[in-house]
Amino acid sequence: KAGVTQTPRYLIKTRGQQVTLSCSPISGHRSVSWYQQTPGQGLQFLFEYFSETQRNKGNFPGRFSGRQFSNSRSEMNVSTLELGDSALYLCASSSPHGGDTEAFFGQGTRLTVV
Amino acid sequence: DAKTTQPPSMDCAEGRAANLPCNHSTISGNEYVYWYRQIHSQGPQYIIHGLKNNETNEMASLIITEDRKSSTLILPHATLRDTAVYYCIVTNYNQGGKLIFGQGTELSVKP
Repeated sequence: KAGVTQTPRYLIKTRGQQVTLSCSPISGHRSVSWYQQTPGQGLQFLFEYFSETQRNKGNFPGRFSGRQFSNSRSEMNVSTLELGDSALYLCASSSPHGGDTEAFFGQGTRLTVV
Repeated sequence: DAKTTQPPSMDCAEGRAANLPCNHSTISGNEYVYWYRQIHSQGPQYIIHGLKNNETNEMASLIITEDRKSSTLILPHATLRDTAVYYCIVTNYNQGGKLIFGQGTELSVKP
């Protein structure tokens, strides 16, 4: 079956703009999580959505937001972009069935803010 | 903060076993130990996970100590394609699918 698909793969934006990234999970997966990866901070959890509800949130400013649609596809939005938002943004989908499950990651969206 | 401690880097000769240690002394009774790896600029890849018993799959083996305070990921016959950053994570998905990544171990497999 198809893996996790993230679009676009690469993006260049200017400071102050906003950006929307998309993630299509594996079919049947209802949980989608987002992560930011930078050389300085490593992989950091942004938020997780399950059945259209944000279930968990990391320590990021309100400029970072997300949503999940009824088909489990998810988008994340970053408003008023800053240079420090340049990063690889990864999403992961999973199908929780109790306390253990595995997350499947997409290839990420490389965002560059200039 | 990550709940795990891993050495920042390790080397391994191609064809030999790679043993990657992880300390997780504050692990809770209902938390699982997960291992993921990330090959340069790709998304992390799930390797294996376990609760308290040793586990083996086609990629690796996971050895968890009896007190569950540490574990070792074993790649039985490392290849050059196993060169990656390996992350040890403890979590329980009932907590909401949140993975806290530490700095991981950068494994270099050398010919």
